[in-house]
Amino acid sequence: DVKVTQSSRYLVKRTGEKVFLECVQDMDHENMFWYRQDPGLGLRLIYFSYDVKMKEKGDIPEGYSVSREKKERFSLILESASTNQTSMYLCASSLGQGTYEKLFFGSGTQLSVL
Amino acid sequence: EDQVTQSPEALRLQEGESSSLNCSYTVSGLRGLFWYRQDPGKGPEFLFTLYSAGEEKEKERLKATLTKKESFLHITAPKPEDSATYLCAPSGYSTLTFGKGTMLLVSP
Repeated sequence: DVKVTQSSRYLVKRTGEKVFLECVQDMDHENMFWYRQDPGLGLRLIYFSYDVKMKEKGDIPEGYSVSREKKERFSLILESASTNQTSMYLCASSLGQGTYEKLFFGSGTQLSVL
Repeated sequence: EDQVTQSPEALRLQEGESSSLNCSYTVSGLRGLFWYRQDPGKGPEFLFTLYSAGEEKEKERLKATLTKKESFLHITAPKPEDSATYLCAPSGYSTLTFGKGTMLLVSP
């Protein structure tokens, strides 16, 4: 089975800190995604990547950046954390190109920004 | 703009009481519609993909169906372990849009 591992289950940070969320997948998937999930708003796409060193903005990229130096690893960076970035962050991967493939999700990182 | 609406937002059933969850969508160039299950504190887990109107897929007590405007997730004789949030996500030409989900609670 595909395994998508997110480095932290819970994270508490201070406003203004630089925050790194790490995600690793072990099945040689081409595509990787970062979502945030908030009550009443559902899942929203922040960034995605179809290849190493490639990145594309999703629906809500403001305040975030990403890095994909290796195929299996996709990092989400909050340059200067703010309280409105308190959320559940979910990483996902899929096999090839296209949006019509099933996603494999990690367990999520619950980030609190104080 | 692609839109997805899931109803009801929450549903409480007694064990064995069958029901259906609805996913209404407006998507340009539907490529597929996904159903996911999400348990509290976990990431969504893939259930089904439906590709064309009229298609049906089953897994244990769950059956997903698709029309040109809606998808239904039918739950037959549910058990408490079916309690979860169910998400639908239609995929268009270059987008994947998640609905807000239906939270299902099955009481023994």
